[in-house]
Amino acid sequence: GAGVSQSPSNKVTEKGKDVELRCDPISGHTALYWYRQSLGQGLEFLIYFQGNSAPDKSGLPSDRFSAERTGGSVSTLTIQRTQQEDSAVYLCASSPVRISYEQYFGPGTRLTVT
Amino acid sequence: SQKIEQNSEALNIQEGKTATLTCNYTNYSPAYLQWYRQDPGRGPVFLLLIRENEKEKRKERLKVTFDTTLKQSLFHITASQPADSATYLCALVTGGFKTIFGAGTRLFVKA
Repeated sequence: GAGVSQSPSNKVTEKGKDVELRCDPISGHTALYWYRQSLGQGLEFLIYFQGNSAPDKSGLPSDRFSAERTGGSVSTLTIQRTQQEDSAVYLCASSPVRISYEQYFGPGTRLTVT
Repeated sequence: SQKIEQNSEALNIQEGKTATLTCNYTNYSPAYLQWYRQDPGRGPVFLLLIRENEKEKRKERLKVTFDTTLKQSLFHITASQPADSATYLCALVTGGFKTIFGAGTRLFVKA
């Protein structure tokens, strides 16, 4: 079946603009994660959603970052008033958690703030 | 403070040898520990998961150990091949499913 998809694959934006990044998880996966990966660095946890529970937002770096997950499926990560330090690859992953904790990652969105 | 440490330097080994990668953590009590492989320009791919009450897990040429007393996991690739060259990430899963990744170790397997 289809894997996790993300769009856009690349996004270049000017400092101060808002951006929206989209993630389509694997159908039936109840958990969805967002991570950020800067060049040559590991993955930085941002937020995760699990079923109908309140999301764990403990990794969001500032109040400029927010995410929502509609209908337990598609998720959007929004960054307001982008800064140059927001430039990174944003990765989304989904997991069936109640069956297995392995995460399936999308290809990522490369965000460049100029 | 909470920390996950993996070998920051790249690991270079000869084809056919066993590669051993280390993951150490402090101030976590993970329910699970996972290992992922990441190739350049791609998202990580899940390899193995080991639970806190398990000492060892194997899958084909891969072996993971988990020592909750030492707070350490070792990841072994036996009979390594050039195609195993990649970055390997360890990840801790806490009780609430939150997952924290290490920075990864780059492995180069020379033919």
